[in-house]
Amino acid sequence: GAVVSQHPSRVICKSGTSVKIECRSLDFQATTMFWYRQFPKKSLMLMATSNEGSKATYEQGVEKDKFLINHASLTLSTLTVTSAHPEDSSFYICSAETGTGGYEQYFGPGTRLTVT
Amino acid sequence: GDSVTQMEGPVTLSEEAFLTINCTYTATGYPSLFWYVQYPGEGLQLLLKATKADDKGSNKGFEATYRKETTSFHLEKGSVQVSDSAVYFCALSDLGMRFGAGTRLTVKP
Repeated sequence: GAVVSQHPSRVICKSGTSVKIECRSLDFQATTMFWYRQFPKKSLMLMATSNEGSKATYEQGVEKDKFLINHASLTLSTLTVTSAHPEDSSFYICSAETGTGGYEQYFGPGTRLTVT
Repeated sequence: GDSVTQMEGPVTLSEEAFLTINCTYTATGYPSLFWYVQYPGEGLQLLLKATKADDKGSNKGFEATYRKETTSFHLEKGSVQVSDSAVYFCALSDLGMRFGAGTRLTVKP
């Protein structure tokens, strides 16, 4: 149980275009989902917290107009990278809390974004 | 805000050696503490966790004890295997996970 999927697993886009990444909790409902970014051989940095039905809360230094987050249902959150630039190339990972306590998060497999 | 400091490595050990990866935290309250593992080419997996002081998390031969007095959550394993080669992340929960820098472990036969 507690499986989180992400789609796509890899995406290449041209500079200036937008790309959407989906995060789904497959076998549980997640009122809270999180988006992280991982640079090569680096740790994960929390970008934003996404709550179903409300606006996302962004970490300091993360541009909310560039990284649009929508949490439309209890099983789906999306991250849209708008007007992508090569420096946005990274590994984006989502996670979801089961809400059963212990603050445990289940992580998706990640999406590799390359902006050319 | 809350944060985690982790021994960065890389760490290279021979099979059956003893492993310790140090992790200390800074927090205003009493967060839950976690160790996650990332195997090559795979996503993050929860290895173990502890939710309060003196709790010991354990899984697959790995252990870590939540020490409030030293604000630490060191990861240990008595005898590592080649299959333990991975990157290990210490983390705490603070409205989202705060991760340490990660420690790359390589175990040689």
